[in-house]
Amino acid sequence: SQQGEEDPQALSIQEGENATMNCSYKTSINNLQWYRQNSGRGLVHLILIRSNEREKHSGRLRVTLDTSKKSSSLLITASRAADTASYFCATDAGGSNYKLTFGKGTLLTVNP
Amino acid sequence: SQTIHQWPATLVQPVGSPLSLECTVEGTSNPNLYWYRQAAGRGLQLLFYSVGIGQISSEVPQNLSASRPQDRQFILSSKKLLLSDSGFYLCAWGGGAHYNEQFFGPGTRLTVL
Repeated sequence: SQQGEEDPQALSIQEGENATMNCSYKTSINNLQWYRQNSGRGLVHLILIRSNEREKHSGRLRVTLDTSKKSSSLLITASRAADTASYFCATDAGGSNYKLTFGKGTLLTVNP
Repeated sequence: SQTIHQWPATLVQPVGSPLSLECTVEGTSNPNLYWYRQAAGRGLQLLFYSVGIGQISSEVPQNLSASRPQDRQFILSSKKLLLSDSGFYLCAWGGGAHYNEQFFGPGTRLTVL
């Protein structure tokens, strides 16, 4: 079953604007990760935030995690046309097999 | 550095034909290996994972099977394809120093006609 649910399903913005995507999940997690997928390609890991962290930054990316609300957000600042892609959150409930459960993704379109 | 290969990139197969998709990883040993399927416009569904040679765990009942004949080789198979097997198949590895992250191959686009 799907653990993460991204919101919105699709987002269209202009270059230079900020993009915010949200993810909600249902069960306790060990960590939450965000991945990016360009059309027809494999996924690329962007950032991981652990359950005891509240905010994390990487370049133009900012991720927040609220375990009390079981939600996370991914902010991309000063977006570029090259940021156009689908973005997925994935949760890891722990265990030695390190299984991830992915959401359905947000399709971000950045218009030049 | 680690790399992951998948082939073929695209495949068109008739209903009832067999399937074999291969995934190999370089630059790491004893990785966890994963097969996912992605339907159009949807998220990833975990099909199988393996934590070692010959160890396969199936996540959903289906027409597919997986095997891990070597440490860094993961194969997805079917004896008879169904129309519903169409999709984008992704192989990934994780574990070791990267135990939380997963690294994905380029994927195989399978169309069953």
